Formats: sequence, structure tokens, C-alpha cells
Amino acid sequence: DVVMTQTPVSLSVSLGGQVSISCRSSQSLVHNNGNTYLSWYLQKPGQSPQLLIYKVSNRFSGISDRFSGSGSGTDFTLKISRVEPDDLGVYYCGQGTQYPYTFGAGTKLELK
Amino acid sequence: EVQLVESGGGLVQPGRSLKLSCVASGFTFSNYGMNWIRQAPGKGLEWVAYISSGSSYIYYAETVKGRFTISRDNAKNTLYLQMTSLRSEDTALYYCARQITGSSGFDYWGQGVMVTVSS
Repeated sequence: DVVMTQTPVSLSVSLGGQVSISCRSSQSLVHNNGNTYLSWYLQKPGQSPQLLIYKVSNRFSGISDRFSGSGSGTDFTLKISRVEPDDLGVYYCGQGTQYPYTFGAGTKLELK
Repeated sequence: EVQLVESGGGLVQPGRSLKLSCVASGFTFSNYGMNWIRQAPGKGLEWVAYISSGSSYIYYAETVKGRFTISRDNAKNTLYLQMTSLRSEDTALYYCARQITGSSGFDYWGQGVMVTVSS
């Protein structure tokens, strides 16, 4: 199975600040078809996860451009700029290049 | 509006069975692959199973293979998860989630249904 390693485990940020979350995979996430199936999700307290980014850098419908994804191969980053209160929660990366689909352990974003 | 509503959870003894349902609305259910994903209390996300739009392709996590069966009824817009030989480690909130079109990942999630396996 592909192991997804997220860092840091938790992050404190001031409102309006910028943060980056790293996600590394144990194998390249480049599929045979040339696509890289790396997604980012946010789980707000008491809610279901929601999709933010898919295929490394594509923002899902309705997601603010304050969220941006980048990376390639085995190394990926989610950046959040101008952090707002509604951004707080646990962020997960996930890979779908090969089954089983696997998630990182999560990064908790908290207010400083 | 896309909606996924799970049901069928509850408290069940180890070794017993339970069947979860997920009713979909707001989109053409028969056009999408669907998944079950679970989250143990206070833990992260674990993908459980996937079924393609026409049920031709089905995949399971090793932790549930041979015990759980994913299925769907496109006429009823409903996804199922039949769970047998339940173990305490199956205790979790179970989400159904829609597969992103032409990609991998999950664009819409239900609110989840709790399954507790305990004697």
C-alpha cells in the first residue's frame, strides 16, 4: 500500500496568516495514464470531510483561491493564504493512483 | 443539490452482521462510482470499498475483504455495504462518498452513520 505521510501533525496560525502542509507518498503517485491522483480534504469540527483540491492542483467547485495545491511525484504541498476562522479543522491528503486509496494521518489547523 | 444520506448503523455484537444504505439524490447516481470510507472515533480516515457506476469494478481494503460486500441499486439510487463477521475494530463512523468524475478521490460525502461493535 502507498503510505501517505503528512507534516506537521498540528499547526497554529494567526488569522490572515499563511500556512503550508506537506504530504509525502512512499511511492510515486504518477499513474500509468500520466495523471497524478493526489487530493486534499478538510474536515471541520463535527462535519464530514470536504474536497478542496484534486489531481494535485485543481480546486473543487466553490473552493476559494486562497487554497492552492502543488507538487509532483512523491512530494506535495497545500498552501492556505489569508487564513480565516472557517479554515480551521483537520486537513487530509489522499492518493488514488493505486488501490487501496490511502489517506495521510491528518494535520490539525488551529488558531494561535 | 447533491445529497448522500446513510442509514442502518447501530450497536451490534462481535461476529454479527449489519447492512448500511446510502440514498443519493441531486445527481444521476448511475453515472458515478461510489465509495464507503470510515473513521474510527478520534482517528483518521480509512477507505473501505469502491464500486463502479455499473458495478463492474469493485475493490476493498484488505481489512474488510471477505467480510464486507459493497453493492448498489441504480434504480433505487442506493448504495449498500453488507458487513458480516463484525469486529470491535470495525467500530467507526461510515461515510458514503461519490467518486470524482474521471478521476480518483471523493467530491461529495454523506453525514455518516455510526457502527458500534461491542458485546
